[in-house]
Amino acid sequence: DAGVIQSPRHEVTEMGQEVTLRCKPISGHNSLFWYRQTMMRGLELLIYFNNNVPIDDSGMPEDRFSAKMPNASFSTLKIQPSEPRDSAVYFCASSRERPTNQPQHFGDGTRLSIL
Amino acid sequence: KNEVEQSPQNLTAQEGEFITINCSYSVGISALHWLQQHPGGGIVSLFMLSSGKKKHGRLIATINIQEKHSSLHITASHPRDSAVYICAVSNTDKLIFGTGTRLQVFP
Repeated sequence: DAGVIQSPRHEVTEMGQEVTLRCKPISGHNSLFWYRQTMMRGLELLIYFNNNVPIDDSGMPEDRFSAKMPNASFSTLKIQPSEPRDSAVYFCASSRERPTNQPQHFGDGTRLSIL
Repeated sequence: KNEVEQSPQNLTAQEGEFITINCSYSVGISALHWLQQHPGGGIVSLFMLSSGKKKHGRLIATINIQEKHSSLHITASHPRDSAVYICAVSNTDKLIFGTGTRLQVFP
């Protein structure tokens, strides 16, 4: 059974550029999460989808960040325009059903550096 | 004050030692999770528990709901246990994370 697949693994780009991170959840999982991890703030939830519908986007930092889940097997997190303070590791995770009592399965993360 | 507090922040041990990492939380929860993050960066879910105790190999997790406290124990520690251990609690549909405990086990 394939795990959560994220791409790219690493991204280095100049500030002002558009960045798109991609995630394929585990087949059969109905909930998908985007997290950001930094040294200063640790792991933070950005947005959570259930059955492809955004349920909670209160963690999205600002309008420069957007996330979509067009179908059950694909999600994107987009930053436009990117800024150096967006540099972080971005994780995608998925779980069966609503996550209240379900373990989350994490992808390997995308290490993003904005110069 | 953080809703999920872990201690210690950093921990070093000699191979073979018994290790305990603590987690306290201040919110109502439906479950508590222990996660492991290796230096390569990937995050693995070790345990999810809402009461009592769970054991997997050399790892044991316990939770005391009344005291809002959980512990992760590693018996006979090994250098490959070196990682960051993260406590997280399920609150409604969200995970709230602790800041992690960095463990280094030396041969």
